[in-house]
Amino acid sequence: EVQLLGSGGGLVQPGGSLSLSCAASGFTSNNYAMSWVRQGPGQGLEWVAAIAAGGFAAWYADSVKVRFTISRDNSKNTLFLHMDSLRVDDTAMYYCAKGSTGHRPYYFDHWGQGILVTVSS
Amino acid sequence: IVLTQSPGTLSLSPGERATLSCRASQSISSGYLAWYQHKPGQAPRLLIYGASTRATGIPDRFSGSGSETDFTLTINRLEPEDFAVYYCQEYGSSRTFGQGTKVEIK
Repeated sequence: EVQLLGSGGGLVQPGGSLSLSCAASGFTSNNYAMSWVRQGPGQGLEWVAAIAAGGFAAWYADSVKVRFTISRDNSKNTLFLHMDSLRVDDTAMYYCAKGSTGHRPYYFDHWGQGILVTVSS
Repeated sequence: IVLTQSPGTLSLSPGERATLSCRASQSISSGYLAWYQHKPGQAPRLLIYGASTRATGIPDRFSGSGSETDFTLTINRLEPEDFAVYYCQEYGSSRTFGQGTKVEIK
């Protein structure tokens, strides 16, 4: 059974940094692309970042480019999102999502339970 | 690609049919369109991919159709557990989500 267990959320001040983790099990992680998707308060789903199966390429939404970094450690089946220069509008529930394949195009066939990030002074 | 979902909210009773629309600002190649169900406090769940293929374990009351710029998710005979927010997503190029349609109990 595929499981994605997120951790690392919390309260951070504007301008601060935070790192999220997503521990994967039930599949061979280095065969699949992974992404982070977020949902702000009262808002819809927003794709944030994606990383290739091997971890050698990454893509970002314009809203987080330069500030966020996605990475993965396939030896530990773990996905990461490091967030710098956080803004109030980064407040959201963050979901890790497993791609259906290791290469594009892929949809998200499994999702983690969500990690709450609150950016506030 | 911008995805526009309609209506914003659909108020229906259990047993009724729900018809949700997702319109793309440009043609979506090869039907790279997915639908997800999202309930409060839960992870989103994949329902449909390739515009019309049900994901593993999804009941056959859920069906997807459409091509190019116009896509539809139909839920026949709504069950109590189907009341949720539904999102479409283009995954061929932009990974864009629509803004969602809430299906609520009337």
